[in-house]
Amino acid sequence: GNSVTQMEGPVTLSEEAFLTINCTYTATGYPSLFWYVQYPGEGLQLLLKATKADDKGSNKGFEATYRKETTSFHLEKGSVQVSDSAVYFCALSEIPSGSARQLTFGSGTQLTVLP
Amino acid sequence: AAGVIQSPRHLIKEKRETATLKCYPIPRHDTVYWYQQGPGQDPQFLISFYEKMQSDKGSIPDRFSAQQFSDYHSELNMSSLELGDSALYFCASSRGTGAKNSPLHFGNGTRLTVT
Repeated sequence: GNSVTQMEGPVTLSEEAFLTINCTYTATGYPSLFWYVQYPGEGLQLLLKATKADDKGSNKGFEATYRKETTSFHLEKGSVQVSDSAVYFCALSEIPSGSARQLTFGSGTQLTVLP
Repeated sequence: AAGVIQSPRHLIKEKRETATLKCYPIPRHDTVYWYQQGPGQDPQFLISFYEKMQSDKGSIPDRFSAQQFSDYHSELNMSSLELGDSALYFCASSRGTGAKNSPLHFGNGTRLTVT
């Protein structure tokens, strides 16, 4: 079956530090890959996505590249801000024939950015 | 832009009671997904509907049922509630089920507390 393994948290960084959150996946086919962010008390928001190998998703200074050879989709940001403090979920979506899409999530990584 | 609307935001029930959660997808989205997120857990897929028909089923207990109505809104019905059902319940919507470029959009969730 499909699975997503995320770097365990919590991660605490100082403002303007470089961020990497590792994500690797296992899938039987060719999944789409996503990063979702969950701010306290809120729902999941799509941060970025990539639908095929070597695609780079980017949004709000965050980037992640779909690496098929290493089955990875690591999230990076060059300079984090206090407002980036949230829980980050890596997820994949595969479309078995005849089935609706659904997301398989990683366990989430809590990021805290200190001023 | 319109988002996925879930109601109520918070719900407190006693054991063995029933609960109904509602989800209103983004306009023109025809697919609805339900997820359950326990405290500190990643979201787990419960069930999904496409064009008012159940399209996929995950780890949904037999005590739960759901449906999608003609206006595409969905309701999750939960009976004989147990303490372990306390969680954040997310609804997500998308347009279609086969397009990799149509990601899921999540609501802010309903927090169910069973006492």
